[in-house]
Amino acid sequence: QQPVQSPQAVILREGEDAVINCSSSKALYSVHWYRQKHGEAPVFLMILLKGGEQKGHEKISASFNEKKQQSSLYLTASQLSYSGTYFCGTERGGSNYKLTFGKGTLLTVNP
Amino acid sequence: DTGVSQDPRHKITKRGQNVTFRCDPISEHNRLYWYRQTLGQGPEFLTYFQNEAQLEKSRLLSDRFSAERPKGSFSTLEIQRTEQGDSAMYLCASSLGQGARGNTIYFGEGSWLTVV
Repeated sequence: QQPVQSPQAVILREGEDAVINCSSSKALYSVHWYRQKHGEAPVFLMILLKGGEQKGHEKISASFNEKKQQSSLYLTASQLSYSGTYFCGTERGGSNYKLTFGKGTLLTVNP
Repeated sequence: DTGVSQDPRHKITKRGQNVTFRCDPISEHNRLYWYRQTLGQGPEFLTYFQNEAQLEKSRLLSDRFSAERPKGSFSTLEIQRTEQGDSAMYLCASSLGQGARGNTIYFGEGSWLTVV
């Protein structure tokens, strides 16, 4: 079951904030966030684990609501380098440690 | 810093030909994944190895696709009798798994396949 991301796209001016959401209809063990620039590999940003543990980027924050199976990625004081497509990948118990990815959120940061 | 490396980065092939992609995971990573990504979509799971054992294959992986990971190190993904619908970026990823969940999965830069 593919997680659902929203919004599909967002345009910001440098310095503005953004929130990207990811929701699943299935119980999750962890949520992984990646950023991908055009033609490049997805780059790991953060993991949120069931139970509240987080691992990842210092300048990016995220939350994971285990009851609702929802995660949000918070990008504050955006920089031009934040532009790209953000994907959430969800890990379910018994899933052989693989991730199922959403369709992505295209973030554009303009000067 | 050696990350996940993939070869070739780009491949153009004629319909009906066979292609093979190679992936070298991060050293000591025992888990290896293959994903496929098309424009405007997220990565789509194809198959997963724990060491040399292929533990899961997606139903999307037709019998024209085969993956191996001999000796639990590098992996190859072969596509036989390519079709235009196979055109995509093939991503390899690896992680260090020791039984726990929530391990970071690192992606390679992908191998772009164009079938003409």
